[in-house]
Amino acid sequence: QSVLTQPPSMSGTPGQRVSITCSGSRSNLGAGYDVHWYKQIPGKAPKLLIHGNSNRPSGVPDRFSGSKSGTSASLAITGLQAEDEADYYCQSYDMYLSRWVFGGGTKLTVL
Amino acid sequence: QLQLQESGSGLVKPSQTLSLTCAVSGGSISSGDYSWSWIRQPPGKGLEWIAYIYQTGSSYYNPPLKSRVTISIDNSRNHFSLNLTSVTAADTAVYYCARGNYMNAFDIWGQGTMVTVSS
Repeated sequence: QSVLTQPPSMSGTPGQRVSITCSGSRSNLGAGYDVHWYKQIPGKAPKLLIHGNSNRPSGVPDRFSGSKSGTSASLAITGLQAEDEADYYCQSYDMYLSRWVFGGGTKLTVL
Repeated sequence: QLQLQESGSGLVKPSQTLSLTCAVSGGSISSGDYSWSWIRQPPGKGLEWIAYIYQTGSSYYNPPLKSRVTISIDNSRNHFSLNLTSVTAADTAVYYCARGNYMNAFDIWGQGTMVTVSS
């Protein structure tokens, strides 16, 4: 069981806006540690989408945005496209566990 | 453009040692203040961070794995390595190497290598 909780699955239609949540606790997100987001197409390596809560690396479309408040964070995708169908993971640091931790992942389906 | 490539044994017998190497190309492993990590993903499951190392050799391990893991770096050969001892079926996974940036996000990943623990 992950210390960062994500919904196992979500779905949306093309053009729609979806938001994937990542719920943590006082020992990770609530302690001020940054959250990062990754996209993983099955059979491929994860790709960094958002780092430092809300920063997009070069090359990531501005349809992707991130936010963090207290013990929770979210990844928003606007103008949903078929190519957005993938697994999405949040990541942060947990000071009680003394390690970097990932959420359990959210499988996003574009209907 | 920096690229990472994992290599090593794809099949390891139970109780033996898993050994992997991550070759860094397109840049120097010793330039910049980056960390170099190993991360794994069991089939159909999520991601688990294993360990990181800096160019200085300073390293840090995931506490539950610490007793079985060694990470090392060879700046002259531009690669870093992972050894995991006393493996069991639970260590079967795709193993990724990745670079950690100044925000402690993993910004560059290798393609991953599947390691199966089986007799």
